[in-house]
Amino acid sequence: DVKVTQSSRYLVKRTGEKVFLECVQDMDHENMFWYRQDPGLGLRLIYFSYDVKMKEKGDIPEGYSVSREKKERFSLILESASTNQTSMYLCASSLGDPYNSPLHFGNGTRLTVT
Amino acid sequence: RKEVEQDPGPFNVPEGATVAFNCTYSNSASQSFFWYRQDCRKEPKLLMSVYSSGNEDGRFTAQLNRASQYISLLIRDSKLSDSATYLCVFDSDAGNMLTFGGGTRLMVKP
Repeated sequence: DVKVTQSSRYLVKRTGEKVFLECVQDMDHENMFWYRQDPGLGLRLIYFSYDVKMKEKGDIPEGYSVSREKKERFSLILESASTNQTSMYLCASSLGDPYNSPLHFGNGTRLTVT
Repeated sequence: RKEVEQDPGPFNVPEGATVAFNCTYSNSASQSFFWYRQDCRKEPKLLMSVYSSGNEDGRFTAQLNRASQYISLLIRDSKLSDSATYLCVFDSDAGNMLTFGGGTRLMVKP
């Protein structure tokens, strides 16, 4: 079974802080993704990566950056957290074509920015 | 037309009922379709892929109607544990990632 682990289940940060969300997968998947999920807006893709050190912008990359130094780890960085980044953040991984392979999600990080 | 449309529900059904959801998509070139299940405050989990010929997994049947551009999920003999939000997912335009529907909420009552 694929295991995608997100380092924190709940986080509370202050406006302007730099925030790191970490994600690790143990199935040697090439592709990793960061989504945010908000009521009424569904899941929206922030960034994805199809290889180490490779990254591609998703639908809503503004205010975020990512890092993939190792295949199993994909980090989401909020350079200067703002209240509109309060959300549920979901990491996912997949094997094969990143555009149409099924995703395996971590259990999410609920971030609150005050 | 929106890329994907799902009735948000909730669908309230008694145990043992049969319930079906549809999800319409706008891109006729879409090739990959999935149904995910998401429990309250949990992550989405893959329920099943949707194949052109339709496919079944126990009480769950998924179908694709290309002519009318929708996929469906049928749940037979509903259980209380089927209560969840069901998300349809498909590949959008070439070069874009999987697109998620907003989900349909199902509540199965005793």
